[in-house]
Amino acid sequence: QVQLQQWGAGLVKPSETLSLTCAVFGGSFSGHYWSWLRQVPGKGLEWIGEITHSGSATYNPSLRSRVTLSVDASKNQFSLRVTAVTAADTALYSCARGVREGYYYYMDVWGNGTTVTVSS
Amino acid sequence: DIQMTQSPSSLSASVGDRVTITCRASQSISTYLNWYQQRPGKAPKFLIYAASILPRGGPSRFSGSGSGTDFTLTITSLQPEDFATYFCQQSYRTPYTFGQGTKLEI
Repeated sequence: QVQLQQWGAGLVKPSETLSLTCAVFGGSFSGHYWSWLRQVPGKGLEWIGEITHSGSATYNPSLRSRVTLSVDASKNQFSLRVTAVTAADTALYSCARGVREGYYYYMDVWGNGTTVTVSS
Repeated sequence: DIQMTQSPSSLSASVGDRVTITCRASQSISTYLNWYQQRPGKAPKFLIYAASILPRGGPSRFSGSGSGTDFTLTITSLQPEDFATYFCQQSYRTPYTFGQGTKLEI
């Protein structure tokens, strides 16, 4: 059974960099898409981007200028960095596994989420 | 970006009821539509993909339908554990986008 375990700083100062890492346990790291999403309380989910085991990344254009996704396939881990954070980046951040079946795509396994607060 | 709009935003029902949640896309997305369930304090749980396909082992009381721009999630014979928030998500093109959620309350 695949599990995602994520960690990172829960409090980040304005203008600094948010960093989170997600580790994959119990399943194949290759052949899937590894996503980051965030959720502001009371609002919907926002997809930040995804990366493959080989490092090919796709980003949400709304965040592209501040976001970097990276992968360490030797450790079955992938990471998120968001630079120049503001209070608007305060959210619950989650990692997820993306699966492609033919032309269809869905996220079937999710991490438990990390609440990140941007505050001085 | 493709906008996803769910209705209603909240819904009250009782155990044993049948409920339907609607999701509308701002443009045609064929059947590239997924549904997720999120209980308070928990990670989202994947329910349905390709608008109507349940993953193996998924509860059969959940069903989805629709294509193009209009989709529905139906839950028959509500169970206590079904009271949660439900999200739709389009996978037609990136950036993948979600509906704002429908909170199903007792």
